[in-house]
Amino acid sequence: AQSVAQPEDQVNVAEGNPLTVKCTYSVSGNPYLFWYVQYPNRGLQFLLKYITGDNLVKGSYGFEAEFNKSQTSFHLKKPSALVSDSALYFCAVSARNSGNTPLVFGKGTRLSVIA
Amino acid sequence: GAGVSQSPSNKVTEKGKDVELRCDPISGHTALYWYRQSLGQGLEFLIYFQGNSAPDKSGLPSDRFSAERTGGSVSTLTIQRTQQEDSAVYLCASSLAVQTRRTGELFFGEGSRLTVL
Repeated sequence: AQSVAQPEDQVNVAEGNPLTVKCTYSVSGNPYLFWYVQYPNRGLQFLLKYITGDNLVKGSYGFEAEFNKSQTSFHLKKPSALVSDSALYFCAVSARNSGNTPLVFGKGTRLSVIA
Repeated sequence: GAGVSQSPSNKVTEKGKDVELRCDPISGHTALYWYRQSLGQGLEFLIYFQGNSAPDKSGLPSDRFSAERTGGSVSTLTIQRTQQEDSAVYLCASSLAVQTRRTGELFFGEGSRLTVL
């Protein structure tokens, strides 16, 4: 069975500083990995994905994530945080060879960027 | 419409009542998902529809929960004899089936917030 762990419920960072939101996963075989973001009173929005190829994936709003197979991690990063990045971030996984099985999401990490 | 539409946006009901939540996916999207978002629990998968195939109901928490999708488009999630622990935001998402397998990009609605008193 697939699972995702987001070890931090809350991450606080000062505006302009780099940010990292952690994610580790468990899946049989090779994974598809995703990050979604939920702004206050809004639905979830797709941010970026890793399917295959380059381990460093770049997404929307200057975010990037690095797939690390040996550590089964897919941490979300941004070099310089903005107050507008404050939101709830979800990591998700599915097994590459599982057909159309639904994504399994983590519990989410609330990012707060302080001016 | 341009996005996934869900109704009602807010629903307050009394314990023991039945509720229906509606999802109108993006036109042309053949895959439709229901998730539940509870405080501290993240997103919990409930049910998945893919075209004319039998739905994947493996996430439904009890037999009080059911869902249908008529004509391959609109879906209704029904909760019978609601309990207080059913209080949550119910999210619907849709995608193009092929893209789901290859890219996983789901398009989410803004959710229906259910409060059971």
